[in-house]
Amino acid sequence: KNQVEQSPQSLIILEGKNCTLQCNYTVSPFSNLRWYKQDTGRGPVSLTIMTFSENTKSNGRYTATLDADTKQSSLHITASQLSDSASYICVVSAKTNAGKSTFGDGTTLTVKP
Amino acid sequence: DTEVTQTPKHLVMGMTNKKSLKCEQHMGHRAMYWYKQKAKKPPELMFVYSYEKLSINESVPSRFSPECPNSSLLNLHLHALQPEDSALYLCASSQDGQGDGYTFGSGTRLTVV
Repeated sequence: KNQVEQSPQSLIILEGKNCTLQCNYTVSPFSNLRWYKQDTGRGPVSLTIMTFSENTKSNGRYTATLDADTKQSSLHITASQLSDSASYICVVSAKTNAGKSTFGDGTTLTVKP
Repeated sequence: DTEVTQTPKHLVMGMTNKKSLKCEQHMGHRAMYWYKQKAKKPPELMFVYSYEKLSINESVPSRFSPECPNSSLLNLHLHALQPEDSALYLCASSQDGQGDGYTFGSGTRLTVV
């Protein structure tokens, strides 16, 4: 069964600090992994998308890594800002069963001043 | 700003009402999706349209009826809903529905009274 597990479930950090969110998956055969940021009551916004051959991708202060061998990904946020407070969702797609991506439960990040 | 537009942003309806949610995209994407999201949970897939044909129905109750008039538009017709159907309804689109990255709309917050 395809699964995506994210950790931690929630995280509180001080403004300006860095943090790393984790995503482990068992989706197979792997197609791509995406990280989304979702503000409360809003739709998810794409941060990064990585395929099998990519192991790092950056989007401003967000850097995602992918280890396809261990089936792990991380999202590193540098110099956090209050606006980074949101839910971060890891989504993994398989080459088969197209259209039915597997969502993680998300990590809720709170950045405090 | 998102390139998937959903209307209305908020909707309150009675259990005997009939209403419709609308979604529009002009990115030339050929796959469109409806997701339902409850508070503090990841989005749950409802329907997938690929090249204007319904390709996935995740055993959604018949009180939800999707419609894809053309490749840019996706509707969700609602009738005889229950209070437990209250949720954030998200529309998304992707290039061709083969496990590629989604662009989400901002969602419609639906409350059934």
